Amino acid sequence: GEDVEQSLFLSVREGDSSVINCTYTDSSSTYLYWYKQEPGAGLQLLTYIFSNMDMKQDQRLTVLLNKKDKHLSLRIADTQTGDSAIYFCAERMNDMRFGAGTRLTVKP
Amino acid sequence: DGGITQSPKYLFRKEGQNVTLSCEQNLNHDAMYWYRQDPGQGLRLIYYSQIVNDFQKGDIAEGYSVSREKKESFPLTVTSAQKNPTAFYLCASSMTGYGVAFFGQGTRLTVV
Repeated sequence: GEDVEQSLFLSVREGDSSVINCTYTDSSSTYLYWYKQEPGAGLQLLTYIFSNMDMKQDQRLTVLLNKKDKHLSLRIADTQTGDSAIYFCAERMNDMRFGAGTRLTVKP
Repeated sequence: DGGITQSPKYLFRKEGQNVTLSCEQNLNHDAMYWYRQDPGQGLRLIYYSQIVNDFQKGDIAEGYSVSREKKESFPLTVTSAQKNPTAFYLCASSMTGYGVAFFGQGTRLTVV
């Protein structure tokens, strides 16, 4: 089974905020990542956070890291229809471990 | 433009055939990776290489083989021993074994 867990589906209305959650298991992970995948395409790096940080903000994206609970979240402000995609959480140790992905659907 | 190029985008294989998926990067990255993606599942690591002429098995290496003769190239061969090869294959690279990984656009392999 996967070491990284995510809920599989999230649906929001356009203009609302989306919050995608992830839990990971290895406290020695150095980096944690969020990737976006559109249909039939590869993974696009959205943002990443180093394990000694609590929060990182990049335009509409905010990443929160709770090391104690091994919980990572991605908040997308003012969600648009173009944000509809699958979002993967990943942790970095010697290699990278991915969650199953959260399919975000944005309704007009 | 710098990036990772996978080819072909679509590939069809007959039962019992070996096929090779290409992955080339011009980012001067040391580490390269192959992942398999199945519907509703996350990415599973097939093989990775942190340096030329060296590679390690990932979680699902059985039925696959790789080579790393050049820094820029990390081809993946899907052999006839792989019983269920239909999937989406993703190649990635990173500066080091601990760096941010960047992905190619993927190859969809279908057995016919």
